[in-house]
Amino acid sequence: QVQLVQSGAEVAKPGASVRVSCKVSGYTLTEFSIHWVRQAPGEGLEWIGGFDPDQGKMIYAQKFRGRVTLTEDTSTETAYMALSNLRSADTAVYFCASDHPSSGSFSPFVFWGQGTLVTVSS
Amino acid sequence: DIQLTQSPSFLSASVGDRVTITCRASQGIASDLAWYQQKPGKAPSLLIFPAYNLQSGVPSRFSGSGSGTEFSLTISGLQPEDLATYHCQHLNGYPLTFGGGTKVEIK
Repeated sequence: QVQLVQSGAEVAKPGASVRVSCKVSGYTLTEFSIHWVRQAPGEGLEWIGGFDPDQGKMIYAQKFRGRVTLTEDTSTETAYMALSNLRSADTAVYFCASDHPSSGSFSPFVFWGQGTLVTVSS
Repeated sequence: DIQLTQSPSFLSASVGDRVTITCRASQGIASDLAWYQQKPGKAPSLLIFPAYNLQSGVPSRFSGSGSGTEFSLTISGLQPEDLATYHCQHLNGYPLTFGGGTKVEIK
């Protein structure tokens, strides 16, 4: 069965960077579109970005452009989200999520990682 | 960007009640709307996509309706295990925005 397993909790200082990983099993990374979503404490879900199979590239929410980098390592079946210049407002649980294998663009998120808490604090 | 407004943000209902959550889009999105259930401390789980199509394995007491700008999620016969926050999401272009969420409490 498909599983997305994320790396553990992170604590970072303001201005620093963090990288969260998401290891895929059950299918190969190239068959999915991995997206990243975050949820600040007590808040709703916020889409950060993800892979668009029709365009063949990563798409980012305007709010995060310039600070976030999404990458994928097919040799280890692992996706990564790196966020730089952290501020306290970035404190949140970060989720990776994916559609069904071989879906097209704009497919809903069927599989989710367990979430990674990133805490930004001096 | 397409904005999604969910209402109410919180509701409290009794077991067996019929509850309806509304999601309004700032512009027409056809039926390109998903509903997710998020239980406390867990990742969201897909319930419905497109707006009217129940995903495999989801109890039939859940249903979705609407198109264009007005959508609703109905739970017909609320159960204790339905304690959760429900989120709508549009998939009608980037950015893929979510509604603010509706927290459902069992009285």
